Amino acid sequence: GIQVEQSPPDLILQEGANSTLRCNFSDSVNNLQWFHQNPWGQLINLFYIPSGTKQNGRLSATTVATERYSLLYISSSQTTDSGVYFCAVDSRGRRALTFGSGTRLQVQP
Amino acid sequence: DAGVTQSPTHLIKTRGQQVTLRCSPKSGHDTVSWYQQALGQGPQFIFQYYEEEERQRGNFPDRFSGHQFPNYSSELNVNALLLGDSALYLCASSLVEEQFFGPGTRLTVL
Repeated sequence: GIQVEQSPPDLILQEGANSTLRCNFSDSVNNLQWFHQNPWGQLINLFYIPSGTKQNGRLSATTVATERYSLLYISSSQTTDSGVYFCAVDSRGRRALTFGSGTRLQVQP
Repeated sequence: DAGVTQSPTHLIKTRGQQVTLRCSPKSGHDTVSWYQQALGQGPQFIFQYYEEEERQRGNFPDRFSGHQFPNYSSELNVNALLLGDSALYLCASSLVEEQFFGPGTRLTVL
């Protein structure tokens, strides 16, 4: 099956800093989603982005499908951005997501 | 518009018991998928229901079974619980490609 690798595994930032999270995948995809998992376990949808670039406030994402990677940018980070960020992909159009192992982000005041 | 809901929030069972978890999809969504998330890992796909049938399945044993009702809500059943079944169980619903997740049920097996 498709492999999904996320980097870095852990990231510690000071409030106000910017960061880039990376997701590499091993096959072509028809779905790629970025999620933020809060401390209570809720997966919050950030982006549905199988290709192209999207922006939502301080967050933006880019997927380069031909090179099989996606990037999530967080600007002017806040303590509420802390948590685990997951990239998840579907390569067969069956709506069964394969998740990466996540990036654990800690934003310090 | 209500999002995906799951019940119960937390559950404690002992080895060998059986458990049923419930999920109501987002309004208008017809497909429900279930995922298991062990501590410190990403969620893993268990199975998916569409039109009241299991459409596809991940690498999970037959102890894991499910059901979808005519109103698109779904149940996940786990028989003969093992300690290793302790995890957060997440339900996701979709109409097209994008999936939306519920808050999860945290199952502890003692």
